[in-house]
Parts: sequence; structure tokens; C-alpha cells
Amino acid sequence: QQPVQSPQAVILREGEDAVINCSSSKALYSVHWYRQKHGEAPVFLMILLKGGEQKGHEKISASFNEKKQQSSLYLTASQLSYSGTYFCGTESSYNQGGKLIFGQGTELSVKP
Amino acid sequence: DGGITQSPKYLFRKEGQNVTLSCEQNLNHDAMYWYRQDPGQGLRLIYYSQIVNDFQKGDIAEGYSVSREKKESFPLTVTSAQKNPTAFYLCASRVGVLEVNEQFFGPGTRLTVL
Repeated sequence: QQPVQSPQAVILREGEDAVINCSSSKALYSVHWYRQKHGEAPVFLMILLKGGEQKGHEKISASFNEKKQQSSLYLTASQLSYSGTYFCGTESSYNQGGKLIFGQGTELSVKP
Repeated sequence: DGGITQSPKYLFRKEGQNVTLSCEQNLNHDAMYWYRQDPGQGLRLIYYSQIVNDFQKGDIAEGYSVSREKKESFPLTVTSAQKNPTAFYLCASRVGVLEVNEQFFGPGTRLTVL
């Protein structure tokens, strides 16, 4: 089942903070976060695994609540370059061929 | 430089014609994936392959076909049976499936069926 992201869209001023959430109705093994600029390929941000391991960029902050099957991406002191659509992708177990089920996306706009 | 290439970037076809989208990677990755993206929506998995000569259907495989004869190549054919083929198609690869790692995406092919 597709994870649900919230909010659907958010507008920020440079320097403001934002939180993007990803919720699943299924037990999760890992959550992957990507950012996509319009018409371009998604770019990897972070992976959060069951058990607490994280892989990703040092400047990106995220959390994974295994009990609630929720993940949150924290964008602090936003910059213009943060604009884009953010997607979470989920894996429910490690033996599913690495396939991800993506949420519908959260569109983030950062204004000067 | 290592990466994933997709060609062409834009593709136009007449209704009823089959069309093949190219995806090549030189990252030496075992796993490859095809996604479809419609405006304002997330990515939906069409097909994926964990290893050469093996592939599995994703969530929306109807009207599509793939092959994986070489590790570096995973072409996608959009057949005339696909009822609404106009979309943005993304190919991705991952080093393997035994450990959790990120997927690397190609630049995409935008297919328009007239």
C-alpha cells in the first residue's frame, strides 16, 4: 500500500524550517527519502532502517518511528535550493528485491 | 563518470505503435528498476530485475515488457496494449538487494503518444 505524505505542499521563506511526514499502514523495514526538481531525476537524500541505522547526507535530518510506521524529514534553515518535490519510498522487508513503494510527494517551495 | 543513461529524453509515437525506451548503467549494479510518473503523482513501479536474465512485475506491469540480457542494460517496451502510455519514465539501479542501499535514477524519458 502506498505511504501517505503530509503536507501535500508547503511554502517557506528562506531560513524557515519545515517537516515532511510519511506514514504507512504496513510494518516497514526501511524508509528512503528523495528530492526531485521538475522534469529531473529524483536525488537520494537519506535511508532510515528498522533498528536505527541511517545512511545519507550529513546535512539532512530525519527520524523513523517503527511503532507508528512513520518517518519525518526535517528541513532546517531552508535555502532556495531546497525547492522541489520530496518523496518517501518504503520497503516492508529486506527480501523484496529492493523495490520501493513511493508516496504521492510533498511539493516544497522556498521563496526569497 | 559512472551513471545511468536513458535515451531519448523526449519521444513521440503514434497510438498503436510499440516503443522501446533505453536504460544503460555503468555502475556495475545488479538491480534495475523502471518507474512511471504521471503529473503531480509519485513513482509507480513497472518492472524490476535483481539479476541478469531475471525480472519481476511491479504494480503496473500490464502493457509493458522488459528484458535483462546484460547486466548494464534494462530496456522497457511500451506496447500498444498500454491504454494510457503518455508519461515520464524513470529507470533506476541499485548495487544489490542483500543490503539496503539507495537507488540511482537516470534522467528520464518523457513519452508522448499522439
